[in-house]
Amino acid sequence: DAGVTQSPTHLIKTRGQQVTLRCSPKSGHDTVSWYQQALGQGPQFIFQYYEEEERQRGNFPDRFSGHQFPNYSSELNVNALLLGDSALYLCASSYGLVAKNIQYFGAGTRLSVL
Amino acid sequence: DAKTTQPPSMDCAEGRAANLPCNHSTISGNEYVYWYRQIHSQGPQYIIHGLKNNETNEMASLIITEDRKSSTLILPHATLRDTAVYYCIVSPGGADGLTFGKGTHLIIQP
Repeated sequence: DAGVTQSPTHLIKTRGQQVTLRCSPKSGHDTVSWYQQALGQGPQFIFQYYEEEERQRGNFPDRFSGHQFPNYSSELNVNALLLGDSALYLCASSYGLVAKNIQYFGAGTRLSVL
Repeated sequence: DAKTTQPPSMDCAEGRAANLPCNHSTISGNEYVYWYRQIHSQGPQYIIHGLKNNETNEMASLIITEDRKSSTLILPHATLRDTAVYYCIVSPGGADGLTFGKGTHLIIQP
């Protein structure tokens, strides 16, 4: 049973560019959350998708957008990249909205903005 | 802002019990206490959670004080592979986004 998978593992972009990160949830999971983790900090919640809709959003600008597909996989898009967007981007999946809040994380995508 | 307070770092000898404290004095009645850990270069891993009773699973034990204002995660026989950053999180029992603090960097010494 595959866990949460993310691609790519590493990515290098320049300021002003756009990037798309991808996530496949754990088998049987239908909810996907995205987090940003700067060096030396804990992960910060970006947003969550359920039934192909953005259900909840953290304190991130609308340069950060996402999408969930019918197979529950998800994409995170970041436009007009800034140097400060350099971070580890984590995807987490869970099942439903009423289950206790156990989220399963992928290994992340390391984004470097030059 | 995170609603928990944890020491930034702790050491523990291999084979001994590691006791990681967490203060969450503003916890609401419907909020659970969750513990995750993050081993270097990996995503966070769920360990255990509880509401008001003590909990135990194959990884750890969670002791929550009667007033629920603090808790302790216990790793009964720490190994070198338990070296990681441990995060204590309070959250309603739904599927909401998690609020991580900086956690406790636990270092297991041989």
